Amino acid sequence: SQQGEEDPQALSIQEGENATMNCSYKTSINNLQWYRQNSGRGLVHLILIRSNEREKHSGRLRVTLDTSKKSSSLLITASRAADTASYFCACLNAGGTSYGKLTFGQGTILTVHP
Amino acid sequence: EAQVTQNPRYLITVTGKKLTVTCSQNMNHEYMSWYRQDPGLGLRQIYYSMNVEVTDKGDVPEGYKVSRKEKRNFPLILESPSPNQTSLYFCASGVRGTGGNQPQHFGDGTRLSIL
Repeated sequence: SQQGEEDPQALSIQEGENATMNCSYKTSINNLQWYRQNSGRGLVHLILIRSNEREKHSGRLRVTLDTSKKSSSLLITASRAADTASYFCACLNAGGTSYGKLTFGQGTILTVHP
Repeated sequence: EAQVTQNPRYLITVTGKKLTVTCSQNMNHEYMSWYRQDPGLGLRQIYYSMNVEVTDKGDVPEGYKVSRKEKRNFPLILESPSPNQTSLYFCASGVRGTGGNQPQHFGDGTRLSIL
């Protein structure tokens, strides 16, 4: 089953607005990570939140994690045209034979208009 | 500079002709992994390796082989490529942390076209 499912699939906003992307998952996780991908390029790690954390900040990024709802959200504040990219959540499975397995969602395509 | 290097970046080849995509990292990472990215399917893990000589299947291992003889290298082998393996491939590496702290560093990708 798909471990990370993202919502919305696409988001279009104006520069200066905030962008919120959501990720839901199905099984227990060690941590949840968010990545960014510019068109045709490799993924760049943005932020990691552990299963015992509820919120984390990095610059204009804010990530929340609700393990009771098995969901996470990524908020980008004061967006810029340069934030235009695809954003993926990835879940690191907790323990067992799948330790180290990182499962990605299908991503949210964010377009920020100048 | 810390990086994950994949080669080739682009390859067009024919069905059945064995090919290898190399991946090398210079960060002394224990963990390495291969993914393929297809439209509408996101990134799917092919194989991963927790350390030298330790490899495990991901979600879509059929048709692929890997080896991990050295820490820095993790080649992806397609013994008999088929058109359904046309995709964008990424190699990644990371630290195997005891707390599960494994942000991964990605290569720039290899675009494979199998005709």
